[in-house]
Amino acid sequence: DIVLTQSPGTLSLSPGERATLTCRASQSVRDSSLAWYQQKPGQPPRLLVYGVSARATGIPDRFSGSRSGTDFTLTISRLEPEDFAIYYCQQYGSSWTFGHGTNVEIK
Amino acid sequence: EEQLVQSGAELKKPGESLKISCRGSGYNFATYWIAWVRQMPGKSFEWIGIIYPGDSDTTYSPSFEGLVTFSADKSASTAFLEWHSLKASDSAMYFCARHLYGSRNAPAGPWGQGTLVTVSS
Repeated sequence: DIVLTQSPGTLSLSPGERATLTCRASQSVRDSSLAWYQQKPGQPPRLLVYGVSARATGIPDRFSGSRSGTDFTLTISRLEPEDFAIYYCQQYGSSWTFGHGTNVEIK
Repeated sequence: EEQLVQSGAELKKPGESLKISCRGSGYNFATYWIAWVRQMPGKSFEWIGIIYPGDSDTTYSPSFEGLVTFSADKSASTAFLEWHSLKASDSAMYFCARHLYGSRNAPAGPWGQGTLVTVSS
């Protein structure tokens, strides 16, 4: 199984700052099958980005995804108050596996 | 609006059986894979497997094979996750999620709200 390692575990930032979240895959992810989700307490996850860099419907353009080899990055250009949440990466090229999450908290 | 609505929270005893549901609306239920995912408190997600409601084709994660059963009633636009003998370690939140597009390998689009399963004597 592909193991996804997210870093950092917690990111403490202020509104308006830039957030950079990383997800490293233990092996190649087939067909760029990497997605990012946002989860807030008591809610199901919401798809943000799929196919490494395609934004899901209704997702603002301050969210962007990129890739360098087996390292994947989710960038939030300017944090809004509603962006403080836990973010998970997922590979879906071979079943599904998820990273352990990055908690983006208010500093 | 495409959405999935899951059945309500359950409190069961070890050894009991349970079947939870996930009803889809706003789209052709038969033509999109439905995934089941487990989330333990404070943890990430574990993929349990998928079912294609059109023909009930299923794939289970090796970690869950033989422990749970998927089924689907496409006429009722509903998928099910079933346990025949629950254990305390099955206590978790269970989500259903529809594949974003009609492919076996796809991310999750709409998610159900989750069903909290608590197994305790």
